[in-house]
Amino acid sequence: RKEVEQDPGPFNVPEGATVAFNCTYSNSASQSFFWYRQDCRKEPKLLMSVYSSGNEDGRFTAQLNRASQYISLLIRDSKLSDSATYLCVVNNQAGTALIFGKGTTLSVSS
Amino acid sequence: DTEVTQTPKHLVMGMTNKKSLKCEQHMGHRAMYWYKQKAKKPPELMFVYSYEKLSINESVPSRFSPECPNSSLLNLHLHALQPEDSALYLCASSQDGQGHSPQHFGDGTRLSIL
Repeated sequence: RKEVEQDPGPFNVPEGATVAFNCTYSNSASQSFFWYRQDCRKEPKLLMSVYSSGNEDGRFTAQLNRASQYISLLIRDSKLSDSATYLCVVNNQAGTALIFGKGTTLSVSS
Repeated sequence: DTEVTQTPKHLVMGMTNKKSLKCEQHMGHRAMYWYKQKAKKPPELMFVYSYEKLSINESVPSRFSPECPNSSLLNLHLHALQPEDSALYLCASSQDGQGHSPQHFGDGTRLSIL
């Protein structure tokens, strides 16, 4: 099992739609989880950290399920500007670095 | 605006050249990282410096040589690179080198090897 797995998509949705991405991780001892966003030919940017109790930032909601070892990202009321690749990130087995998933591509159209 | 600054933004070099990539952060972060990213792939970790000491080398070929002159600076020295080394090279920093805090990325150096 790969350390971090994501559905690559692409997810093609209309403006205003709600879309959800899942990500699974293999290391049950992982303690840190993040979602990053990367636009084409740009650097990854931190979207949000993922906390055990779940957390929300505006239209974005992140959830963590430790029992099933997955994290999710929900985007409500999608905007054209949400089109990007969303990277799931988890700390590695040694707890010394972060491991990136391959990313899920989202395309929001008008 | 990114708080991690990388120079140059673009670099074209021949296989016999020697060049260096530079990265600087002034957030007081104690860990700094080099990543390599190819098109449509996630960033691949190359090196981690924690408290100015090399803590991780992900089996990177010796033609890439990292250097951390102080807690704010990270260099990547390049020598005798191959065409397959063409990629986006990203520098990042984080508060700790334990993988607990998020990493902040510079906007990268786009490297082309002729």
